[in-house]
Amino acid sequence: DTGVSQNPRHKITKRGQNVTFRCDPISEHNRLYWYRQTLGQGPEFLTYFQNEAQLEKSRLLSDRFSAERPKGSFSTLEIQRTEQGDSAMYLCASSLTEAFFGQGTRLTVV
Amino acid sequence: SQQGEEDPQALSIQEGENATMNCSYKTSINNLQWYRQNSGRGLVHLILIRSNEREKHSGRLRVTLDTSKKSSSLLITASRAADTASYFCATAPTSGTYKYIFGTGTRLKVLA
Repeated sequence: DTGVSQNPRHKITKRGQNVTFRCDPISEHNRLYWYRQTLGQGPEFLTYFQNEAQLEKSRLLSDRFSAERPKGSFSTLEIQRTEQGDSAMYLCASSLTEAFFGQGTRLTVV
Repeated sequence: SQQGEEDPQALSIQEGENATMNCSYKTSINNLQWYRQNSGRGLVHLILIRSNEREKHSGRLRVTLDTSKKSSSLLITASRAADTASYFCATAPTSGTYKYIFGTGTRLKVLA
């Protein structure tokens, strides 16, 4: 499968715990995006990488959120001290021109 | 803030009918993409239309773009029950940001 891969698909965590999600983009894509989506809403932009450089971050990305893309390949999104409001689907996309999304990681904070 | 706004918010049609969804946006764009999302799943890319294009087709899909009105439409012909999903437009602004901006989507239900 040469699509965008996200792991894990589901994550249940207790409030206050840290979580990390991984995204493996399509190999030749230099652009990588993270989005968050809550029920009934469209995806909201979190951050953008071009190769290994993080070029744009949303104000939604509080200091509890950090994303990396070492060596311009896979990317990780970490949420520290999770809160119930962090419960959402976290989507990763990669692109050259068209943006292709992974299946997402559904986070539930209890 | 969301730039793309789809309408209608919800649409229910009979199998075999055509479904039309509209997307309006606010600023100049490089391109506009349409996506489908089944409940609880990721987004599936349907079609990209560039700012210098007016119409594109892909199978049963027809997308139009009117940059003067800052709007796009997605037509699904001869709909099937499997087309039941949410449909989103995503715009790529020409300046100021690298992100794709999504609207809140149109929830399409095709009744068998």
